[in-house]
Amino acid sequence: NAGVTQTPKFRILKIGQSMTLQCTQDMNHNYMYWYRQDPGMGLKLIYYSVGAGITDKGEVPNGYNVSRSTTEDFPLRLELAAPSQTSVYFCASSLTRPGTGERSNQPQHFGDGTRLSIL
Amino acid sequence: GQQLNQSPQSMFIQEGEDVSMNCTSSSIFNTWLWYKQEPGEGPVLLIALYKAGELTSNGRLTAQFGITRKDSFLNISASIPSDVGIYFCAGRASNTGKLIFGQGTTLQVKP
Repeated sequence: NAGVTQTPKFRILKIGQSMTLQCTQDMNHNYMYWYRQDPGMGLKLIYYSVGAGITDKGEVPNGYNVSRSTTEDFPLRLELAAPSQTSVYFCASSLTRPGTGERSNQPQHFGDGTRLSIL
Repeated sequence: GQQLNQSPQSMFIQEGEDVSMNCTSSSIFNTWLWYKQEPGEGPVLLIALYKAGELTSNGRLTAQFGITRKDSFLNISASIPSDVGIYFCAGRASNTGKLIFGQGTTLQVKP
């Protein structure tokens, strides 16, 4: 049981390049999320998905796209990389919606992150 | 947009000391979560709080959901070197339903 797996772990892009950050989970979770974490800051939600075929914008969606064709995978796409997108990106999944009062030991499982630098 | 104010921003303490950190919001929250993040890893949930006034412990960690529903604190007793990391609060706002994160508290423990 691998949990949430993110690839790659590190990447350097040139301005204007595109890339896809991969995220997969093997826990059959309905909810999946993409966050970015900037130095000294908390996590900001980029996009989330409540199930296959359904995605919605989070707090900072500009410059990103997502798709959810399967329950397991939730890739994040950067079409035209910009220096402002230099960050650490975390994917997460949950069986239930975090904080809904449905108690569980781990409302959200996080991947280990992808460190992305845009130069 | 909505924000959580987490303090202190960083702490440098001696092993064995107790630690306290808190988060406050201008709006009412119906859930508070506390996470720990170690270098190179994603956040790991420590404690979840779902009811105003709730006090929950997880080993040496204790967290409380404030009565006003606008704040929460996390205490760590008798700190040890492996407590080092960044601690994040997260809350779900009652009016928007969105889960938002605090800025984090970086904890360093001196053996």
